[in-house]
Amino acid sequence: DAKTTQPPSMDCAEGRAANLPCNHSTISGNEYVYWYRQIHSQGPQYIIHGLKNNETNEMASLIITEDRKSSTLILPHATLRDTAVYYCIVRVVDSGGSNYKLTFGKGTLLTVNP
Amino acid sequence: DAGVIQSPRHEVTEMGQEVTLRCKPISGHNSLFWYRQTMMRGLELLIYFNNNVPIDDSGMPEDRFSAKMPNASFSTLKIQPSEPRDSAVYFCASRASGRRSFFGPGTRLTVL
Repeated sequence: DAKTTQPPSMDCAEGRAANLPCNHSTISGNEYVYWYRQIHSQGPQYIIHGLKNNETNEMASLIITEDRKSSTLILPHATLRDTAVYYCIVRVVDSGGSNYKLTFGKGTLLTVNP
Repeated sequence: DAGVIQSPRHEVTEMGQEVTLRCKPISGHNSLFWYRQTMMRGLELLIYFNNNVPIDDSGMPEDRFSAKMPNASFSTLKIQPSEPRDSAVYFCASRASGRRSFFGPGTRLTVL
């Protein structure tokens, strides 16, 4: 499994952009990078995913470096409700190619301060 | 769409009792996952099914744990006998082929 490394915690001021880094230096060419978040006591929630191009949706932007060894999740205007643990995950595809599982690490606790 | 449904939401039991957790995946999803979350170990994948067939159960801690998926709309995770170290939040997630995973609200299990 390709491993990911994230800082254990980060702080961000409300209204500012939150930039959450992730290192995945052993990622393979066909492995996707996924981001999920978990707000206290709730189930994890999908945010965004990408392979090699930058991606943007209504929640966030994902910037993947050209060598694919790291990525950054950007929440453009963080709110207090964005306080959560953010997980960067490399999607592992099983040998059959049709199934895959998500293995969660410890993630980054993002605290958005007023 | 009701999302992934888990029951019960909270379960308190005594050591040695059998515990059954239930999950109803989102209609049309063909993959189902059981996770366990504790402070010490974080979020661990226990087992996952594809088209009702168990694909990978390498995360199941020991023989006391068993999971079944008798049809596409229902799965159970059973612990027999339960032990205090099984106390955790158990999440069920489902996914359509090639799409994102959706998680349920979890079942908080306390074994006394």
